[in-house]
Amino acid sequence: GDSVTQMEGPVTLSEEAFLTINCTYTATGYPSLFWYVQYPGEGLQLLLKATKADDKGSNKGFEATYRKETTSFHLEKGSVQVSDSAVYFCAVRYNQAGTALIFGKGTTLSVSS
Amino acid sequence: DTEVTQTPKHLVMGMTNKKSLKCEQHMGHRAMYWYKQKAKKPPELMFVYSYEKLSINESVPSRFSPECPNSSLLNLHLHALQPEDSALYLCASSQVGRGLANNEQFFGPGTRLTVL
Repeated sequence: GDSVTQMEGPVTLSEEAFLTINCTYTATGYPSLFWYVQYPGEGLQLLLKATKADDKGSNKGFEATYRKETTSFHLEKGSVQVSDSAVYFCAVRYNQAGTALIFGKGTTLSVSS
Repeated sequence: DTEVTQTPKHLVMGMTNKKSLKCEQHMGHRAMYWYKQKAKKPPELMFVYSYEKLSINESVPSRFSPECPNSSLLNLHLHALQPEDSALYLCASSQVGRGLANNEQFFGPGTRLTVL
């Protein structure tokens, strides 16, 4: 079936370090791809999305590019901050009415000053 | 208004209690979702309503009973829960349809449920 694979965490970085969190998906068709972030004690917030091949989603310094040839949507940020410490979920959704999100297992990011 | 609200924020209940979780959105979305999230895990889909009709039930035990009284409201009625049902319950909403722009789900902050 459809699935999303994220790199296992936790990821521990120093402030201003470069971040990459890998995400790959199994695809039948042309899904939309998302990164959600969950800060401690809160619900999920959409961080960025891409809806077709080669699209780049970006927000708050984070970027991810929809790579259909490698079925990947890796999250990157050039310089992380302590406030970026959170759990990051990669997710896919297929373009069908009522189809819910399929989430990866989540990657915990901890940034220290 | 691009917000999904959920009440209560926290709920503690005994195994014999009956309680309800509430979710509301005013974005005109016609799909609404309940997810359950255990600590350090991704959200797991429970139910999907589309145009106020239940369209997906992911084999959820009958002690969880969803209700969608109108296009803005979604309830989750709880009865005879078990301690292992303690989790964060997330509501989400989205537009419905095949268009690419319809795929974004907006999540509420969740209700943290503890069953004693």
